[in-house]
Amino acid sequence: GENVEQHPSTLSVQEGDSAVIKCTYSDSASNYFPWYKQELGKGPQLIIDIRSNVGEKKDQRIAVTLNKTAKHFSLHITETQPEDSAVYFCASGGSSGSRLTFGEGTQLTVNP
Amino acid sequence: SQTIHQWPATLVQPVGSPLSLECTVEGTSNPNLYWYRQAAGRGLQLLFYSVGIGQISSEVPQNLSASRPQDRQFILSSKKLLLSDSGFYLCAWSLDPKGEKLFFGSGTQLSVL
Repeated sequence: GENVEQHPSTLSVQEGDSAVIKCTYSDSASNYFPWYKQELGKGPQLIIDIRSNVGEKKDQRIAVTLNKTAKHFSLHITETQPEDSAVYFCASGGSSGSRLTFGEGTQLTVNP
Repeated sequence: SQTIHQWPATLVQPVGSPLSLECTVEGTSNPNLYWYRQAAGRGLQLLFYSVGIGQISSEVPQNLSASRPQDRQFILSSKKLLLSDSGFYLCAWSLDPKGEKLFFGSGTQLSVL
C-alpha cells in the first residue's frame, strides 16, 4: 500500500518567517495531495490540495508544490503568524481502490 | 451548509467496558463516512468507511466495529475496550467515494483506564 513520510516532525519559526514542510509518497499512481491543519483539540481542516496535473498551487500565504518524478510535495507558508501554529498533515490518494494515506504530522510553532 | 456532529468530546472508560461513539452529518445526502483514530503525536489511521446505509468496510482488524443505521449516522462501537483503544477518534465525511476532500468532526478523546 501507499506510504507517506513527512518531515520535519516539529518546526519552530519566528513570526514573519517562512515555513516549509515536505512529504514523500511511494505509490506512483497517487494523483491527489491534500494538506490539513489541526488546531489543538479539534479535527483536521483541509487548507489546500493539489492534483498531479499541476505543479504548484497558491492560496494567499500558503502554497503547495508537487514533483511527480521525485514523488514528493511540499507545503510553503509565507509571512507566518502565531495563528498558523498547529499540526499540519499531508496526505496522498486518488489511486484506484485506495483511500487517503496521511503523514505523521508536523507540529508548527510560530513564535511572536 | 453541511455540518458534522460528533459526541461525546471526551470519554473515560474502564478496560472491558463497552463503547459507543456517534457521528451525524447534516446538510447533505448520501455522504461517504469515515472513522479515523489518532494516537498521541501520530498520524491518522483509517478504521472504517461507509459508502451507504449498512455498508461498512474495515481497514484494520481490531477490537472495534462500525455501523451505519441511517444515511447520515455513523456509529463506532466496542463490546470490551482494551487499553490500546485509547486515542483521539475522528469522524469525517466526503462526497467523493475515494475519500478526497474530507471534512472532519471535532473528535472524541477516549481514555481507557
